[in-house]
Amino acid sequence: AQKVTQAQTEISVVEKEDVTLDCVYETRDTTYYLFWYKQPPSGELVFLIRRNSFDEQNEISGRYSWNFQKSTSSFNFTITASQVVDSAVYFCALSGYSTLTFGKGTMLLVSP
Amino acid sequence: EAGVAQSPRYKIIEKRQSVAFWCNPISGHATLYWYQQILGQGPKLLIQFQNNGVVDDSQLPKDRFSAERLKGVDSTLKIQPAKLEDSAVYLCASSSGGGTGYEQYFGPGTRLTVT
Repeated sequence: AQKVTQAQTEISVVEKEDVTLDCVYETRDTTYYLFWYKQPPSGELVFLIRRNSFDEQNEISGRYSWNFQKSTSSFNFTITASQVVDSAVYFCALSGYSTLTFGKGTMLLVSP
Repeated sequence: EAGVAQSPRYKIIEKRQSVAFWCNPISGHATLYWYQQILGQGPKLLIQFQNNGVVDDSQLPKDRFSAERLKGVDSTLKIQPAKLEDSAVYLCASSSGGGTGYEQYFGPGTRLTVT
């Protein structure tokens, strides 16, 4: 069985602070994919990134960056210089040979 | 390109009543998913279609839930009879491929309240 743990239930920061959202996963599959999705108050899940298990290269997209470490089974997400519009629930998800499994999500509140 | 469409956006029913949700995926996407998201949790897959065939319905409570995708495009999810614990957001998603590595694109969801 596969499992995704997002230990941080809620994080509050002030605008312009950097924030890291943690994601730890468990799987026995040798090939798997990791995802991050954003769910703003409107409710629609928005795809942010996908990584496959063979690609541990970190990725940066604007203010967003992702750190994938197989040794610790982690796929952490950092937002640099956070903005109010970043306020949302962020989900980490995993798919191996079976369907997509989501973590419980981390609610990020960015105040002005 | 239009996104995944869902209707209705909100529905309130009494327990033991029936309800149906509709989903129209992104044009050309062969794979369609229905998820249930209970407040404070991540989405849980109910059923996955590849064209009009079912790929995975292992977590669908088949005694009360049913889904169909007759022409391989639109899909309907039905609950009959509804229970209080069915109160949740029902999300539809689609992807261009059926493999587990494809990113899924989600609709706005239908928020169901069962009283």
